[in-house]
Amino acid sequence: TQLLEQSPQFLSIQEGENLTVYCNSSSVFSSLQWYRQEPGEGPVLLVTVVTGGEVKKLKRLTFQFGDARKDSSLHITAAQPGDTGLYLCAGPRGGAGGTSYGKLTFGQGTILTVHP
Amino acid sequence: DAGVTQSPTHLIKTRGQQVTLRCSPKSGHDTVSWYQQALGQGPQFIFQYYEEEERQRGNFPDRFSGHQFPNYSSELNVNALLLGDSALYLCASSFSRSIQYFGAGTRLSVL
Repeated sequence: TQLLEQSPQFLSIQEGENLTVYCNSSSVFSSLQWYRQEPGEGPVLLVTVVTGGEVKKLKRLTFQFGDARKDSSLHITAAQPGDTGLYLCAGPRGGAGGTSYGKLTFGQGTILTVHP
Repeated sequence: DAGVTQSPTHLIKTRGQQVTLRCSPKSGHDTVSWYQQALGQGPQFIFQYYEEEERQRGNFPDRFSGHQFPNYSSELNVNALLLGDSALYLCASSFSRSIQYFGAGTRLSVL
């Protein structure tokens, strides 16, 4: 059983479309991180959300942390081929605080393909 | 400033063999974590080293062991390799309890 469930697992869209990726858990997390990973590379941190209800924007990407700190979403506006990759949500386990340390638990990822 | 570096980038082994993977953390970082990532899946935590001691461990058998050196670099050792050990092995470094930065990984194939 995954502690963090991501949906959808696969997403194939055309350039210019909008999309949302979800990350859900039955457990409360002190923070959640979103990473993007390209083939042959390690995950690269996009954002950390800490406060319930928090919304963070990174250009065309909008991240939201649920009020109960059990879920998060990533919304991409006007997707571009350069957004293609594996998107991962992750949260720290075994510790308190708003930073990422110790054991990170990852979702299974969402593979996004944006066609030109 | 070099980020997290891992070596080798690719490795092919046969069942039953032993393998050692290496990681140099980002400058200024003192904590190293190792993850296993199967194809198309999220990374799974193996263990974390801090001050040359294993601080936390995930659900991996004793065949997986590690070491951290005084210069904070780390090794991951896997004994008696199984086909299921084929994966991308990621190293992440951090300073104490701050954000973890990942290396590009070592792709291990067990035949």
